[in-house]
Amino acid sequence: NAGVTQTPKFQVLKTGQSMTLQCAQDMNHNSMYWYRQDPGMGLRLIYYSASEGTTDKGEVPNGYNVSRLNKREFSLRLESAAPSQTSVYFCASSEFQGTETQYFGPGTRLLVL
Amino acid sequence: SQQGEEDPQALSIQEGENATMNCSYKTSINNLQWYRQNSGRGLVHLILIRSNEREKHSGRLRVTLDTSKKSSSLLITASRAADTASYFCATVTSGGSYIPTFGRGTSLIVHP
Repeated sequence: NAGVTQTPKFQVLKTGQSMTLQCAQDMNHNSMYWYRQDPGMGLRLIYYSASEGTTDKGEVPNGYNVSRLNKREFSLRLESAAPSQTSVYFCASSEFQGTETQYFGPGTRLLVL
Repeated sequence: SQQGEEDPQALSIQEGENATMNCSYKTSINNLQWYRQNSGRGLVHLILIRSNEREKHSGRLRVTLDTSKKSSSLLITASRAADTASYFCATVTSGGSYIPTFGRGTSLIVHP
């Protein structure tokens, strides 16, 4: 089992460019999450998907969109990147929303110039 | 906004010593979880303690929860250099979305 995988590992964008961060899990989990991690801020929830076909906003959704493509895959899109979106992005999954353990991917480091 | 806040922000100890980090939170919780993050990696779940539990153990880890003080502590006994990492508490509040809210973390350095 690969667990939670994320691509790309690292990306540099110019302001205004768009990109999609990909996330996939092979644990048959129902719920998936996108977080961003900034220095001194801990992890903040961007969007989550409690189950296939549903998505909901988290604490910091502005500037992002998500797609739950199927049960395995949950993507995060930046339509027009801004320097404030420079961060490390983590995808996570859990069996159900609110169940005990979240499993995290290795992260995508994004630099917006 | 952060629900849990870890203290201290940074901790530096020698191998073999015990490391204690604390987490305080503001509203009633369903459970509290501790995660570890090695540099440049994702978070790894360590232990979960429910609101009706006071203490849990897992190997060299001991977690306590005091709901009257809205605080938890994570004790790592006989620390090793490999324990060097950031440690985060995450709270799941009662009656909410049941998604963990993470604190800012404690950075632990264990010197060999």
